[in-house]
Amino acid sequence: GESVGLHLPTLSVQEGDNSIINCAYSNSASDYFIWYKQESGKGPQFIIDIRSNMDKRQGQRVTVLLNKTVKHLSLQIAATQPGDSAVYFCAENIPGGYNKLIFGAGTRLAVHP
Amino acid sequence: DSGVTQTPKHLITATGQRVTLRCSPRSGDLSVYWYQQSLDQGLQFLIQYYNGEERAKGNILERFSAQQFPDLHSELNLSSLELGDSALYFCASSVEGQSNQPQHFGDGTRLSIL
Repeated sequence: GESVGLHLPTLSVQEGDNSIINCAYSNSASDYFIWYKQESGKGPQFIIDIRSNMDKRQGQRVTVLLNKTVKHLSLQIAATQPGDSAVYFCAENIPGGYNKLIFGAGTRLAVHP
Repeated sequence: DSGVTQTPKHLITATGQRVTLRCSPRSGDLSVYWYQQSLDQGLQFLIQYYNGEERAKGNILERFSAQQFPDLHSELNLSSLELGDSALYFCASSVEGQSNQPQHFGDGTRLSIL
C-alpha cells in the first residue's frame, strides 16, 4: 500500500515496551478529541476518544491524557506489539463546526522485535 | 472492518476528466463525511452530509461536489481533474451529525491523475 506521510516523525520502540505518542492541538476551544491508527493501505481506525471535561481515559492497552492548559494530548500504548506499528493521528473537534475533525500531522510508530 | 464501504479502491484517470467516488456508511449512521489525504497536506475535511442535507463545508474546491441520497449512501464528484487532485479520498460516517461523536472511516479510494 501507499505510504502515508513519508516524512512523518517516527517513534521507534521495542516490542513489549510502553509507547507514548504526543500531539499538540490547535484550538483552545476544542471540546472533543480522537486518536486514530492508520495502517498502510487502510483508512484511519478509531482507537479512543476523550471529551474536554476529562483529563484521562483508558481503553484496552491504551490511555489518552488531555492537558488543556498547554493544549496537549497523548496516547499511551502499553506492552507495544508489532501489530501496533502504524501512523497515529490525533484529531480535534471545534464547537460550532458540527463534527468536522481537524487532524494532526501524524506520528509513525515502528515496533521492533 | 469499520462497516464503511468505499468504491472503487483505485481510480486512474487523466487530467480534465471527471470521476465519482461512492461511499456506503455504517448501518444506522445518518451522517457522512469526506476527507482528502495527500502527502503534503495530511487529512483535510471536505464536506459533511446529514440525512441527505449538506451540514458543513471545509476546503472543498468548486470543481468538487457531493451529495447524500435517500438510502444514505454518498457520492463525491470530482471534475476537471488536475494532477494535484491525486490523493486518497476517505469517507467516514457517524450516528448523527453533532460534535462529540466518533467518525468511522472506510479504506478510501486512491485517485491517480496521469
